[in-house]
Amino acid sequence: QSALTQPRSVSGSPGQSVTISCTGTTSDVGGYNYVSWYQQHPGKAPKLMIYDVIERPSGVPDRFSGSKSGNTASLTISGLQAEDEADYYCCSFAGDYILGVFGTGTKVTVL
Amino acid sequence: EVQLVESGGGLVQPGGSLRLSCAASGFTFSSYWMGWVRQAPGMGLEWVASIMKDGGQKKYVHSVEGRFSISRDNAKNSLFLQMNSLRAEDTAVYYCVRDIDYYRGDYWGQGTLVTVSS
Repeated sequence: QSALTQPRSVSGSPGQSVTISCTGTTSDVGGYNYVSWYQQHPGKAPKLMIYDVIERPSGVPDRFSGSKSGNTASLTISGLQAEDEADYYCCSFAGDYILGVFGTGTKVTVL
Repeated sequence: EVQLVESGGGLVQPGGSLRLSCAASGFTFSSYWMGWVRQAPGMGLEWVASIMKDGGQKKYVHSVEGRFSISRDNAKNSLFLQMNSLRAEDTAVYYCVRDIDYYRGDYWGQGTLVTVSS
């Protein structure tokens, strides 16, 4: 199973919005509404930010939102803040017989 | 409060073995799938293994099949990863993850570093 494709980096100024794409196939992203997004700060464990494409766990700011169109899922961070600077990974369910597939990761830089 | 605490990492020679443990607390351990996710230095995340609530079903990434074995002890709220025939490419931080189905990891441990080197 190949990794999902994410841009290597995105950047924005405080207050702006950035969107990270996560492109897969009909066997993963396009086939199921089980895409999750994780935020990882350097030296820390990943943190779940979005699950089931659009759902936010309790405690995650509503500045973070998810969507999906066809084989591509997206994470949008609105009102970018300094603490949002981190690596972000998507992950998709890909069927009952294989493990979840992560994306290649995107570094978000707040200018 | 949900807590996942890994242990057992360290330096091992190629071909050697290690057993990782994860002590869980703050939730009903037997009600959740659990898994191990690893991250090689400077690289991305990779699901390594996953185990059903009662241990009845286990899944592995292709690169570790036949070498790694995931298990759990629901009576002791513990998750394990037995790693045999270790290779340099297994060098990574290994995270214990609570999976709320479909590889949605809502809680992660702090990670334990495994280094395979001579």
